[in-house]
Amino acid sequence: DGGITQSPKYLFRKEGQNVTLSCEQNLNHDAMYWYRQDPGQGLRLIYYSQIVNDFQKGDIAEGYSVSREKKESFPLTVTSAQKNPTAFYLCASSIIPGSGDQPQHFGDGTRLSIL
Amino acid sequence: DAKTTQPPSMDCAEGRAANLPCNHSTISGNEYVYWYRQIHSQGPQYIIHGLKNNETNEMASLIITEDRKSSTLILPHATLRDTAVYYCIVRPALNTNAGKSTFGDGTTLTVKP
Repeated sequence: DGGITQSPKYLFRKEGQNVTLSCEQNLNHDAMYWYRQDPGQGLRLIYYSQIVNDFQKGDIAEGYSVSREKKESFPLTVTSAQKNPTAFYLCASSIIPGSGDQPQHFGDGTRLSIL
Repeated sequence: DAKTTQPPSMDCAEGRAANLPCNHSTISGNEYVYWYRQIHSQGPQYIIHGLKNNETNEMASLIITEDRKSSTLILPHATLRDTAVYYCIVRPALNTNAGKSTFGDGTTLTVKP
């Protein structure tokens, strides 16, 4: 079945470590997105990419980095500069970048916690 | 980006229609209204979207007011499995702030037996 796969489901990070969250899609979508969700709150956009080898900052990009070397993959690295990384991270994709008429499809998320 | 306002919580009896309101008074003419829902610890699930006309699919109906400043998501026969957080968002027009859409805190719908 086509869809978005996020791994791992749960991730633990030690202070000062970088960690990378995986997001893979087999929907042949051009656009991919990363969101952060804190308990009881909505989603906030971290980064998005409309095409391979290109990406833009969202509303809360500080302390995060991304790459888009392949159409189907959009990994997110949470760096040691992110002082409050504990959150639920969601990856999404859509067919046409920037099109208001295309829904986003979401993965099931990665829950990151600090040891 | 247009922002949306939703009530924080609503209850609905099982089998009855659930009507979830959303205010988007600053929406621009070429922005779509989208509805998603999120069941605990899962990713949001797309429900329905519309521009001006009312829309219906197998999951729900979307009623958009004529001035487009508000909308209502209707779940015609709510079941216990419809208990979730429902998000109303506005998607920017093509190639304008591409990809950016703001998810507010949503409405927590609780369907009761």
